[in-house]
Amino acid sequence: LAKTTQPISMDSYEGQEVNITCSHNNIATNDYITWYQQFPSQGPRFIIQGYKTKVTNEVASLFIPADRKSSTLSLPRVSLSDTAVYYCLVVPYSSASKIIFGSGTRLSIRP
Amino acid sequence: EAGVAQSPRYKIIEKRQSVAFWCNPISGHATLYWYQQILGQGPKLLIQFQNNGVVDDSQLPKDRFSAERLKGVDSTLKIQPAKLEDSAVYLCASSPGRDRGNQPQHFGDGTRLSIL
Repeated sequence: LAKTTQPISMDSYEGQEVNITCSHNNIATNDYITWYQQFPSQGPRFIIQGYKTKVTNEVASLFIPADRKSSTLSLPRVSLSDTAVYYCLVVPYSSASKIIFGSGTRLSIRP
Repeated sequence: EAGVAQSPRYKIIEKRQSVAFWCNPISGHATLYWYQQILGQGPKLLIQFQNNGVVDDSQLPKDRFSAERLKGVDSTLKIQPAKLEDSAVYLCASSPGRDRGNQPQHFGDGTRLSIL
């Protein structure tokens, strides 16, 4: 199972673009890269998922280099409501039961 | 669509007592998960169901925890007897279709359990 490493915490300001990088050096061929967001007193919420190159949705973009050993979650023009914990996960296609949440990145947005 | 429903939201019990949590997944979702999230940590998978069958319960402390998913819809997670280290948030999640890693999971807001 691929282990992920991401910053424990990050700070930014409203209106800025925030990039959170996750390292997953031993990612396997059939693994997907998935990001979740969690607010206090709520369950995690799926943000974005990708396999290679770039994925974009209405919330974020996910950049994955060719070697797939890292990925970057990009949040454009953050607001105070983006303050949350962000989890990077590498999940085998074959089974979601192998999903492992690390401690995540605690993102704090300031006015 | 309605999200994953969990109850109760909070529960306080004394050690050695028993407790049960209930989860109603999103309608039509075949896969259901129970997670334990200790303060300051990420969620840890306890058990995964595919319809009403167990897919993975390797991290479930079976001497005190049990879970069932009757008729492949609702699920209950029970702890008996509870220990102090069981204080955590218990999260339920569901996903459509088969057990595949590229299926996003939809989480409920959890039950916060405090053991005195």
